[in-house]
Amino acid sequence: SAVISQKPSRDICQRGTSLTIQCQVDSQVTMMFWYRQQPGQSLTLIATANQGSEATYESGFVIDKFPISRPNLTFSTLTVSNMSPEDSSIYLCSVRDTLSGALDHNEQFFGPGTRLTVL
Amino acid sequence: QQQVKQSPQSLIVQKGGISIINCAYENTAFDYFPWYQQFPGKGPALLIAIRPDVSEKKEGRFTISFNKSAKQFSLHIMDSQPGDSATYFCAARKRGYQKVTFGIGTKLQVIP
Repeated sequence: SAVISQKPSRDICQRGTSLTIQCQVDSQVTMMFWYRQQPGQSLTLIATANQGSEATYESGFVIDKFPISRPNLTFSTLTVSNMSPEDSSIYLCSVRDTLSGALDHNEQFFGPGTRLTVL
Repeated sequence: QQQVKQSPQSLIVQKGGISIINCAYENTAFDYFPWYQQFPGKGPALLIAIRPDVSEKKEGRFTISFNKSAKQFSLHIMDSQPGDSATYFCAARKRGYQKVTFGIGTKLQVIP
């Protein structure tokens, strides 16, 4: 499987501040995604990170709140802006379709997550 | 609107028993059905996946059964072990789409 790392692994932030989460993959991938998982809940897709163009956001998520960058095929960032306690959640990076073709292109892998607490 | 319905939400099984988690879907455009296992504090890990052209897929103690006509699929964990205690998510993806739709999750506890 693709090895995905995220930084930071966890953070405690003050209301009104912003946090940028980094996602690094050990191989070039076509698709990168950002998910949110609230405690004890399922996974909700925030957006698809597109290399060289603006991310594609799901309903209920907007670029001003969750700006995303994807400068190359192995790296992406998600920023949670102007945070409120409702943003406390686990944020997960996910990837699919390695360019090496070593994996089934259907298989989607997740990073370890970033646990965010907003006070 | 929950496109993939998963049940039960929690499950307690004795060690050595069979754990069964069920999922149902409505959209016949779904053509890929993965299951994920998530331990506390970790990201979900791909466990096993199936396409609708087969009725069953087995990997070790984990088996997916797929009933295309009923639009249902299930995960069976044979000889369940305490180390299997985790949350399991079924999921589905439409043909030609990138987005995966997840079920609500099932918290499995295997007791000695």
